[in-house]
Amino acid sequence: GIQVEQSPPDLILQEGANSTLRCNFSDSVNNLQWFHQNPWGQLINLFYIPSGTKQNGRLSATTVATERYSLLYISSSQTTDSGVYFCAALTSGTYKYIFGTGTRLKVLA
Amino acid sequence: GAGVSQTPSNKVTEKGKYVELRCDPISGHTALYWYRQSLGQGPEFLIYFQGTGAADDSGLPNDRFFAVRPEGSVSTLKIQRTERGDSAVYLCASSPWTTVEGNEQFFGPGTRLTVL
Repeated sequence: GIQVEQSPPDLILQEGANSTLRCNFSDSVNNLQWFHQNPWGQLINLFYIPSGTKQNGRLSATTVATERYSLLYISSSQTTDSGVYFCAALTSGTYKYIFGTGTRLKVLA
Repeated sequence: GAGVSQTPSNKVTEKGKYVELRCDPISGHTALYWYRQSLGQGPEFLIYFQGTGAADDSGLPNDRFFAVRPEGSVSTLKIQRTERGDSAVYLCASSPWTTVEGNEQFFGPGTRLTVL
């Protein structure tokens, strides 16, 4: 089955800094989602982005399906951005979303 | 509008007992997923429903795990003869799964299961 890898596994930033999180997948995908898991464990939808680029405030995401990767950009980071970021990929012909192992982000004040 | 809800939020049980975990999806969503998340890991797929039927149950770890969705809305995950290794957070997600709205998943808050 598809393998989903995220990098870096851990990231520490000073408030105000920018960062890029990467999600690589081993097979072509029909859909890709980015989530933020807050300290209480709730998975919050960030982007539903099978291809192309989307922006939402300080966050943006780009998926290049032909090259099998997606990037999540966080600009002007805030302490409330801390948590774990997951990408999840859905391959054609299946119903399973496969999650990556996550990037644990800590933003320092 | 109302999101995905899960009950109970926490469940503590003893080894060997039977437990049921409930998921109420977003109204109108035809697709429903169950995942299990262990500490420090990403959610792991268990089972997917489209309507009332389980379209893919390949993630269920063994025959102690079973899930139903009899009316195509609420779903119950059932675990028999619980083991300590079943301790985890069980997450439910629903999706509209339509051509127009696509199949973006929306997650509930999860049920933390602890098997003593």
